[in-house]
Amino acid sequence: AQTVTQSQPEMSVQEAETVTLSCTYDTSESDYYLFWYKQPPSRQMILVIRQEAYKQQNATENRFSVNFQKAAKSFSLKISDSQLGDAAMYFCAYRSGLNYGGATNKLIFGTGTLLAVQP
Amino acid sequence: NAGVTQTPKFQVLKTGQSMTLQCAQDMNHEYMSWYRQDPGMGLRLIHYSVGAGITDQGEVPNGYNVSRSTTEDFPLRLLSAAPSQTSVYFCASSYEVRGTGELFFGEGSRLTVL
Repeated sequence: AQTVTQSQPEMSVQEAETVTLSCTYDTSESDYYLFWYKQPPSRQMILVIRQEAYKQQNATENRFSVNFQKAAKSFSLKISDSQLGDAAMYFCAYRSGLNYGGATNKLIFGTGTLLAVQP
Repeated sequence: NAGVTQTPKFQVLKTGQSMTLQCAQDMNHEYMSWYRQDPGMGLRLIHYSVGAGITDQGEVPNGYNVSRSTTEDFPLRLLSAAPSQTSVYFCASSYEVRGTGELFFGEGSRLTVL
């Protein structure tokens, strides 16, 4: 079974600085997707960024980028120029690829990292 | 466009009571699912559906029941609430059953069982 581990329960960053959130996963599958979701105090789950395992290039969305190390099974999220609105719980999630049967839309979540942004 | 709508947003139950969490989406999504979120445990899949009339169990299905009579609605029923079911519940949907598209979440329902 696949597992997702986020080893940092809490992180803090100064406004305008850069922070990296860690995520590791375990899988025997070769085709999968990785996600970072943001959950602000409103509880709404917001997709931040997505990475397809077959793509070597790291995904980027504005100030958010990932460092995807497939061999090491590592998927960290870098937030540049941190803003007060980035304060939230961040979840790393895994989903099996299209070549695997069953509930391939099933997301397996890590336990989350609570990010505080200091003004 | 409302997206994924969950009701109620807050509910307090006594042990043994039953209730239904409602989930509706207006995006014509085939795939719908229910997750529960507990502190220190992330989100865990309870049940999911790949279309009207088709449901299946997720990781933590015990104590919950679902049905999918229409594409739009996917209610989650607690048959006899227990304190262990105190949690925040999220409904999520996506257009494709096995696609690469985004999973859209509702705003969550906080349930307390006394």
